[in-house]
Amino acid sequence: EAGVAQSPRYKIIEKRQSVAFWCNPISGHATLYWYQQILGQGPKLLIQFQNNGVVDDSQLPKDRFSAERLKGVDSTLKIQPAKLEDSAVYLCASSLVRGNEQFFGPGTRLTVL
Amino acid sequence: AQSVTQLGSHVSVSEGALVLLRCNYSSSVPPYLFWYVQYPNQGLQLLLKYTSAATLVKGINGFEAEFKKSETSFHLTKPSAHMSDAAEYFCAVSDKGANNLFFGTGTRLTVIP
Repeated sequence: EAGVAQSPRYKIIEKRQSVAFWCNPISGHATLYWYQQILGQGPKLLIQFQNNGVVDDSQLPKDRFSAERLKGVDSTLKIQPAKLEDSAVYLCASSLVRGNEQFFGPGTRLTVL
Repeated sequence: AQSVTQLGSHVSVSEGALVLLRCNYSSSVPPYLFWYVQYPNQGLQLLLKYTSAATLVKGINGFEAEFKKSETSFHLTKPSAHMSDAAEYFCAVSDKGANNLFFGTGTRLTVIP
């Protein structure tokens, strides 16, 4: 069974630029999560989707971050414009349904200069 | 509100020695508790979870953890460390179910040959 796929694996941008990350969850998983992991900290949930609907985005900085999951499968997370403090690893996870084990992708490491 | 505290950001043990990684939680409701492992450049992998059944939980790779309500602890142990155990370990808490995980700051385990 293929795991959660993410791309790109690494991205370096300058502040005020835009960036987008892509996630393909495990086939059949209805719930998809985006986490932000800043160096030296644990992952923090940014947004959670159930199929193509948002369940929880209370921790998403909506002035600059946006996310979508249009067809209930793949998802993109966008930052516009990026700030220095956005440098982090962005992890995508999926679960069969809400409450089941979450499976994590390898993450995208973002460096904002 | 829920949170976890991991004591010790770095732990070093000799190969074959006991591994003990500490986690204390704070939760206003009966918690679900998790330990995840993260190898370099990989996503998080679930080691074990406590969901209000047996207080001693056995996980993969010989790890186990014991839920102690009186001490609000969920420490991770392994009797004999192996070189392949070197990784970062995260403790996490959620309310009923695993919808919203709150992670600790992680403990990096080094195994000395």
